[in-house]
Order: sequence, then C-alpha cells, then structure tokens
Amino acid sequence: GQSLEQPSEVTAVEGAIVQINCTYQTSGFYGLSWYQQHDGGAPTFLSYNALDGLEETGRFSSFLSRSDSYGYLLLQELQMKDSASYFCAVKGGSSNTGKLIFGQGTTLQVKP
Amino acid sequence: DVKVTQSSRYLVKRTGEKVFLECVQDMDHENMFWYRQDPGLGLRLIYFSYDVKMKEKGDIPEGYSVSREKKERFSLILESASTNQTSMYLCASSFLAGTYEQYFGPGTRLTVT
Repeated sequence: GQSLEQPSEVTAVEGAIVQINCTYQTSGFYGLSWYQQHDGGAPTFLSYNALDGLEETGRFSSFLSRSDSYGYLLLQELQMKDSASYFCAVKGGSSNTGKLIFGQGTTLQVKP
Repeated sequence: DVKVTQSSRYLVKRTGEKVFLECVQDMDHENMFWYRQDPGLGLRLIYFSYDVKMKEKGDIPEGYSVSREKKERFSLILESASTNQTSMYLCASSFLAGTYEQYFGPGTRLTVT
C-alpha cells in the first residue's frame, strides 16, 4: 500500500524559515507534490518533484530524496498569509493515473 | 483560469436521504475526482473518473456512487445518507492523466442529522 507521514502542526514566526517534512511508502514512486489549503478554502497546487534535489519557486522550495523516501517543503521569509495547511501527495497506482494519495496535512501557524 | 464549481457550499440532510453533490469544471479536463476531508485524516479519495461514463473506486467508496454523463460534470451520490458521512466534500479535476496538478472546487460541507 501507500502511506505518507507529515507532522500535524508547525509554528514559526514571521520572517523566519520553516521546513515541513514528508516521508512516504509506496509500491511505485513517480514523484512528490505539495498542496496548500487556507482555512475554509480549496487546496491549491504548489510544486512537484520527480527527481532528487531542490526545486525553487519564489519563497517556496521543495526537496526530494528518493533513496530516503523523503521530501520537504521549505518556506522562506514567512508571511502571515502563509498560515495554512500543507499536504504532500504521491501517485496512487501507475504513472499514467491521475489518482493522488495525500498525507494527513501539516497545519502551519505563523506568528507575528 | 480553471474553474471548478460545486453545487452547494453547505448542505444539511437527514439520515436515509439520497444526496446529490454536483461538480462542474470549465476547462475540458479529462479527469475528475471526489474527496472527503476530515480533521486529522487529510484528503481521502472516494471515486474518480478519467472519461465520460468511466469511473474507478478510490480508497473509501463504500456508501457512495458517482455519475459522469458529460465531460464537465461529475456527481457524487450518497444513496442513503448516514451520520458518518458528515464531512467536507471536495471535487477536483485535472487535464492530463499523468499530472500531479489538480484543481479543486470550494467544497461542500455536508451535515447528516
């Protein structure tokens, strides 16, 4: 089967850097993605890593290590608006399926 | 911009009622999904569809069925609602079968009393 583990909560102060970890167990691995969901809002896609290494998109970066079955989302220069839940996700099944398996989510609280 | 809309933001139904949740996307996406979201459990896939009239079970299909008669519309049906189906229901769509990028609707908060 497939499973993902993330911390349930993370707290950081405005302007700081925070890392949200995700470890996964899958029968076949095709990449790791991250979604953001503000309270009461819809999840929105942030990033996707298929290969090892760091992918940067503005203040957000995502890292993958396939040998360690591990990835993380790095948020820099934290802003109050970054307070949200963050989900990692992997493919559920073959590479050409659109089905995703999501982690339980990490609630990030940014304090002033 | 991709837009995914859901028929209701909030819904209250009684135990035993048949419930229809509608989802419409306007970007000609092939794939559509229904999830339920519960605190501490993340998003769990109920059903998905990769083409009109095609459907596959997700991880928690029991008590649910779906219908996709047109490409843009994907309906979730609770045949006989039960209190343990009280949840947030999220619809999503994606263009390519292999993509990780799904577009989500605003969700329907369903309460079954």
